[in-house]
Amino acid sequence: GESVGLHLPTLSVQEGDNSIINCAYSNSASDYFIWYKQESGKGPQFIIDIRSNMDKRQGQRVTVLLNKTVKHLSLQIAATQPGDSAVYFCAESNNTDKLIFGTGTRLQVFP
Amino acid sequence: KAGVTQTPRYLIKTRGQQVTLSCSPISGHRSVSWYQQTPGQGLQFLFEYFSETQRNKGNFPGRFSGRQFSNSRSEMNVSTLELGDSALYLCASSYRGPTEAFFGQGTRLTVV
Repeated sequence: GESVGLHLPTLSVQEGDNSIINCAYSNSASDYFIWYKQESGKGPQFIIDIRSNMDKRQGQRVTVLLNKTVKHLSLQIAATQPGDSAVYFCAESNNTDKLIFGTGTRLQVFP
Repeated sequence: KAGVTQTPRYLIKTRGQQVTLSCSPISGHRSVSWYQQTPGQGLQFLFEYFSETQRNKGNFPGRFSGRQFSNSRSEMNVSTLELGDSALYLCASSYRGPTEAFFGQGTRLTVV
């Protein structure tokens, strides 16, 4: 079960470096955002979420930043590890409506 | 606790046939959403069920349908299969709605 197609943007980082994955969302009325990680053969795995009344939220090794002015979302992964290699999706939602997913970014971690 | 379970994992069908996919949500979750994932279109929302009622629907033809049972398990059905229906079908469950959702591993449908 491969997760995505052939033309995803790819971010290559060295193990131990920090990674920043960016996402532009489409609906200025969206009030909830999620980042998912999808490994080959698996379904998307919840990483972190943020509501529109916040501009930053931190988890374990991950931070999500939200800039509503420019409709931009980013996921920062600290001390990137080989196990972080996957496709990362952002998703937006408006008032518990359906999730709308971005196209995804492939993260490759090199030793 | 057990995660979202989708069955079957893999399926091969012929054009014109119909197919039924099953999703068992996380215990206590009442919302089940279905998504189609393809290389060309990415992840697209099909529909969402909550307490046996369809609350949201994406932009898919009427050949795609679903239902939810009283135990929150959900099925989706695709009739008159087309080659373009080949995809990974993902189910996600959550407590309240399609947000804060946890996904299953998906059913890989191949239409030949």
